[in-house]
Amino acid sequence: QKEVEQNSGPLSVPEGAIASLNCTYSDRGSQSFFWYRQYSGKSPELIMFIYSNGDKEDGRFTAQLNKASQYVSLLIRDSQPSDSATYLCAFNTNAGKSTFGDGTTLTVKP
Amino acid sequence: KAGVTQTPRYLIKTRGQQVTLSCSPISGHRSVSWYQQTPGQGLQFLFEYFSETQRNKGNFPGRFSGRQFSNSRSEMNVSTLELGDSALYLCASRSATGGDGYTFGSGTRLTVV
Repeated sequence: QKEVEQNSGPLSVPEGAIASLNCTYSDRGSQSFFWYRQYSGKSPELIMFIYSNGDKEDGRFTAQLNKASQYVSLLIRDSQPSDSATYLCAFNTNAGKSTFGDGTTLTVKP
Repeated sequence: KAGVTQTPRYLIKTRGQQVTLSCSPISGHRSVSWYQQTPGQGLQFLFEYFSETQRNKGNFPGRFSGRQFSNSRSEMNVSTLELGDSALYLCASRSATGGDGYTFGSGTRLTVV
């Protein structure tokens, strides 16, 4: 079993729709969870982090964490073509190592 | 605030050669990690250095090594290059606790021919 599993893509949504990206992890001791966005040909950039169960909102982005289900998600409201990118989820192990998922590629169509 | 700086940006090497990549972290960040990114394998963790000590290590052969200097700058070395080492090598720095995530450099694109 992979340490981090992301929903297989690619994911395509129309402009203005909600994009939902999901991630499950296997390490129950994980404490910190992150979402990174990577545009084609660029390096990843951090867009959200979450530590506690529940929702965390930042503008059009909402991260959701459910530690009991070992599940973290990212919702993008009012999706824009500029949101088209690969989204990587990651978590920190107790040893502090960050493990990344393979990413989900999102395309927002005008 | 300057970001994470990686040099060189692009590199072409021949099989069997060795290569050294350099990374300067964000000022004040003492943790530097290295990742290999390939289309088929995604982001694979190589190692992390903190205060000149290797704190974590991924599952890469001993040909991959690194070090960190007292100013937190880090270097990664790959010896006896293989074709399969062709990849984007990313350096990332973060604060001591790591709770606020990584800032990545632009990467070094290594091509082994």
